[in-house]
Amino acid sequence: GDSVTQMEGPVTLSEEAFLTINCTYTATGYPSLFWYVQYPGEGLQLLLKATKADDKGSNKGFEATYRKETTSFHLEKGSVQVSDSAVYFCALQETSGSRLTFGEGTQLTVNP
Amino acid sequence: SQTIHQWPATLVQPVGSPLSLECTVEGTSNPNLYWYRQAAGRGLQLLFYSIGIGQISSEVPQNLSASRPQDRQFILSSKKLLLSDSGFYLCAWNRQSRLAGTQYFGPGTRLTVL
Repeated sequence: GDSVTQMEGPVTLSEEAFLTINCTYTATGYPSLFWYVQYPGEGLQLLLKATKADDKGSNKGFEATYRKETTSFHLEKGSVQVSDSAVYFCALQETSGSRLTFGEGTQLTVNP
Repeated sequence: SQTIHQWPATLVQPVGSPLSLECTVEGTSNPNLYWYRQAAGRGLQLLFYSIGIGQISSEVPQNLSASRPQDRQFILSSKKLLLSDSGFYLCAWNRQSRLAGTQYFGPGTRLTVL
């Protein structure tokens, strides 16, 4: 079955540091890939997505590239801020309109 | 634009009491609807999903149930809560279409069972 593996957290960085959160997946077809962010006490918000190989999703300074050859969708940001502190979830969707398969989430804390 | 509502926002219930959580979506029709649970410090567990009125699929056998009495209303229920039912419950929706169906999440309900 489908699965998503994220790097284990928690991740603690200083402000303006470079961020990478690894995400790899296993799927039988050609999934769409997503990153969601959850701020403390809130629901999940879509951060970015990519629907086919080599697509790059980007939003709020975050980027992730759909790499079919390595089955990866790593999240990156060049300079993190304290306000980026949250839990980040990688997810895949096997067919459009269908349910999501989530990774376990990675807690990010950014210190001033 | 579409919005998704959940209530209540927080709930404290004794063990053995009933539960009813409600989710409604505005601004769209015939959405897919989902209930997730997030235990403390853990990822998301899909509990139920629905592709239409009265059509519910259960992912995890447990003492919870779901119903969809109207197109844009999704209800999570229990007759008798267990301590293990504590968690953060999230409702989500997406469109039924051939394009990537991004799921949009509600603000969640924090349930504490004592």
